[in-house]
Amino acid sequence: GAGVSQSPSNKVTEKGKDVELRCDPISGHTALYWYRQSLGQGLEFLIYFQGNSAPDKSGLPSDRFSAERTGGSVSTLTIQRTQQEDSAVYLCASSTLRSGGYTGELFFGEGSRLTVL
Amino acid sequence: QKEVEQDPGPLSVPEGAIVSLNCTYSNSAFQYFMWYRQYSRKGPELLMYTYSSGNKEDGRFTAQVDKSSKYISLFIRDSQPSDSATYLCAMSRSSNDYKLSFGAGTTVTVRA
Repeated sequence: GAGVSQSPSNKVTEKGKDVELRCDPISGHTALYWYRQSLGQGLEFLIYFQGNSAPDKSGLPSDRFSAERTGGSVSTLTIQRTQQEDSAVYLCASSTLRSGGYTGELFFGEGSRLTVL
Repeated sequence: QKEVEQDPGPLSVPEGAIVSLNCTYSNSAFQYFMWYRQYSRKGPELLMYTYSSGNKEDGRFTAQVDKSSKYISLFIRDSQPSDSATYLCAMSRSSNDYKLSFGAGTTVTVRA
């Protein structure tokens, strides 16, 4: 498809287990973002990739969270030893940097809904 | 205090009414102001953006920014049931600022 693809769409896991969330951005988009959306909260920035490098990991809540991006395309967000407070929708977005003009539009996927029991 | 404040609602209006949404913010460095629309179980999509203060109109949608008051608004005229969604405001410091600051979102229901 032409949009941002995320998998799984839903994940239920037990406390203490590790989970991996995958994001396939729009082809050609160099920038990739992970946000977390909890009930009643705004989108919380987690991490930003430009190409394969992550110049800003400041939003990752703890060292249980990590992310990587390979080939300038697919990204994986890994949460180790999940806790109940990790339950949320994890949204991936991508964008392209253009010369001139507004570059702030993010194209979001439908998200991965994580429930930690 | 959150950097961007937005009343989560919910807001319920009859079809044809004007919907008024707003956000306040604390960071005077913000220059770009956006409204994203998010349908249930979907990702947000950009609806409108405005640079600095002023108004911008796009069809039934009008965005207003008052930087002196640190207050932004979105108006939806002649609202339709298809406008039922969550509306999130977002802001950034520059056109290349990758870290958008989002409001919590306001859930709107337009009743037929």
